[in-house]
Amino acid sequence: DVKVTQSSRYLVKRTGEKVFLECVQDMDHENMFWYRQDPGLGLRLIYFSYDVKMKEKGDIPEGYSVSREKKERFSLILESASTNQTSMYLCASLRGSGANVLTFGAGSRLTVL
Amino acid sequence: QKEVEQNSGPLSVPEGAIASLNCTYSDRGSQSFFWYRQYSGKSPELIMSIYSNGDKEDGRFTAQLNKASQYVSLLIRDSQPSDSATYLCAPQGASGGSYIPTFGRGTSLIVHP
Repeated sequence: DVKVTQSSRYLVKRTGEKVFLECVQDMDHENMFWYRQDPGLGLRLIYFSYDVKMKEKGDIPEGYSVSREKKERFSLILESASTNQTSMYLCASLRGSGANVLTFGAGSRLTVL
Repeated sequence: QKEVEQNSGPLSVPEGAIASLNCTYSDRGSQSFFWYRQYSGKSPELIMSIYSNGDKEDGRFTAQLNKASQYVSLLIRDSQPSDSATYLCAPQGASGGSYIPTFGRGTSLIVHP
């Protein structure tokens, strides 16, 4: 089975801190995604990447950046965390061809105080 | 902006009944359609995929697709309390050769004994 691992299940940070959320997948998938999920708003796409060093903005990229230096790792960076970035963050990966099924990590619940 | 509309619910059905979950989407370029189930506090997991117009059955689940009407639905027969979850509709289009999953806000289903 494809495994997507998010490094931190729960994080508590202070306003203005720099936050790194790490995601690693072990099945050589080309595509990786970062979503945030908030009650009543569903899953919203922040950034995605379809190859190493490639990144594309999703629907809500403001306040976030990403890094993909290796195929298996996709990092989400909050340069200066704010309270409105308190949310559940979900990483997902997807093979580039064939069945386009997303596999999600367990999620990282970030609280910004 | 690609739109995916789902009734947020909650949809409440008695055990043993048929639950009907509906989804409309705006992107006519959508080629693949997925239903994910998300239990409270967990990540979404794929339960059904459909690619062609018509019905697709898998156990107690039936997905129905009508591309002309831009409508996809999920029927759950003989609903069980364990089916209580949020169901996410995810039509999948393409951008520059990459597949970009877009999610509806989800429908909360409650199956009561």
